[in-house]
Amino acid sequence: GAGVSQTPSNKVTEKGKYVELRCDPISGHTALYWYRQSLGQGPEFLIYFQGTGAADDSGLPNDRFFAVRPEGSVSTLKIQRTERGDSAVYLCASSRDRFEGYTFGSGTRLTVV
Amino acid sequence: AQKITQTQPGMFVQEKEAVTLDCTYDTSDPSYGLFWYKQPSSGEMIFLIYQGSYDQQNATEGRYSLNFQKARKSANLVISASQLGDSAMYFCAMRGNAGGTSYGKLTFGQGTILTVHP
Repeated sequence: GAGVSQTPSNKVTEKGKYVELRCDPISGHTALYWYRQSLGQGPEFLIYFQGTGAADDSGLPNDRFFAVRPEGSVSTLKIQRTERGDSAVYLCASSRDRFEGYTFGSGTRLTVV
Repeated sequence: AQKITQTQPGMFVQEKEAVTLDCTYDTSDPSYGLFWYKQPSSGEMIFLIYQGSYDQQNATEGRYSLNFQKARKSANLVISASQLGDSAMYFCAMRGNAGGTSYGKLTFGQGTILTVHP
């Protein structure tokens, strides 16, 4: 597609539930990144994929967070047993490779109630 | 580890005037890149300008220029001839370019909210 697409744009879930956030990168972009942005803060790195593999997952806050990119294009960020502190905007970005500039999606606003 | 500091929570500028948004950084990477992004109220992060640590000249992109002072570890964004549409949150970010734990991923500052008055 023309840009990075993230779905859903908004997600409200109850505490303890499981959620999946989807990112569809620009076609041909091999690098894909997930960031989390809390209100009034800068984005924080979560995980980076080069192709199908997670090259760096050092930003995932705990084992409730997991991400996959099985075919090297679409990625899904999965959050188990959601907590109110997980409420944030989750941003996805892609680039041709790790040296190129990123293109960000519009984000998914997750609210845990 | 990398760190980006933006000390101005908010800035105001008159339309058509120039404004400078401050950014200082700290890193142990020998080679790195510095970025500025604009985030309007819609939420999307828009790339503005990039400066490599070994670039000899300061980067410019239209009305945006980056005042890079390596010895002072600063990378201030200058916006000339401000427009009402420039009102947004602005983030400074950096990325390691030569291996190490910061390779490939961006570290962002806290951001500066810019308001352009007519």
